[in-house]
Amino acid sequence: LAKTTQPISMDSYEGQEVNITCSHNNIATNDYITWYQQFPSQGPRFIIQGYKTKVTNEVASLFIPADRKSSTLSLPRVSLSDTAVYYCLVGDVVGNFGNEKLTFGTGTRLTIIP
Amino acid sequence: EAGVAQSPRYKIIEKRQSVAFWCNPISGHATLYWYQQILGQGPKLLIQFQNNGVVDDSQLPKDRFSAERLKGVDSTLKIQPAKLEDSAVYLCASSLEGLVSRELFFGEGSRLTVL
Repeated sequence: LAKTTQPISMDSYEGQEVNITCSHNNIATNDYITWYQQFPSQGPRFIIQGYKTKVTNEVASLFIPADRKSSTLSLPRVSLSDTAVYYCLVGDVVGNFGNEKLTFGTGTRLTIIP
Repeated sequence: EAGVAQSPRYKIIEKRQSVAFWCNPISGHATLYWYQQILGQGPKLLIQFQNNGVVDDSQLPKDRFSAERLKGVDSTLKIQPAKLEDSAVYLCASSLEGLVSRELFFGEGSRLTVL
């Protein structure tokens, strides 16, 4: 199973750019990197996914270096509503159907300070 | 588009009692997942279905947990008998065919308290 390592917690002020780094030294060739966001009393919500280099969508950017052993989620100009737990996942193929077994770690608890 | 529906949202039972959770995935999603999330931890996969077949149930405590997905749509997760350590939020998620999309859509979860 591919495993990930993230900081347990981070604090940032409103309006700042926040970068959360995830280590996945044993990532496999076919694995993708996916980030989820979870608010209290809700299920996780997909933020962004990538394989290599840089991916950007309307809420975040994902930077993946050439060796793919780490990735960085970048949240531009955070607000109080970005306070949540952020999970980095690496795909792990199991079963005869080729589906990915997505394993969540403990995540990074991001707190935005007014 | 309707999201993943789960019920009940909250359930309180005493140890050794039984409980069942229901999940209705997003229409057309072939893959369905049940996760257990203990307070302060990340979700842990219990079982994964592809249509009505089990893809992975390696972390399901089969002596007390069971799950089924009849007709490849709705799913039920049952715990019998419950233990104190089963207190957690049980999350259901669904996705399209695994190789096409790796985005999981989660329901709001069912919070179980075992006394």
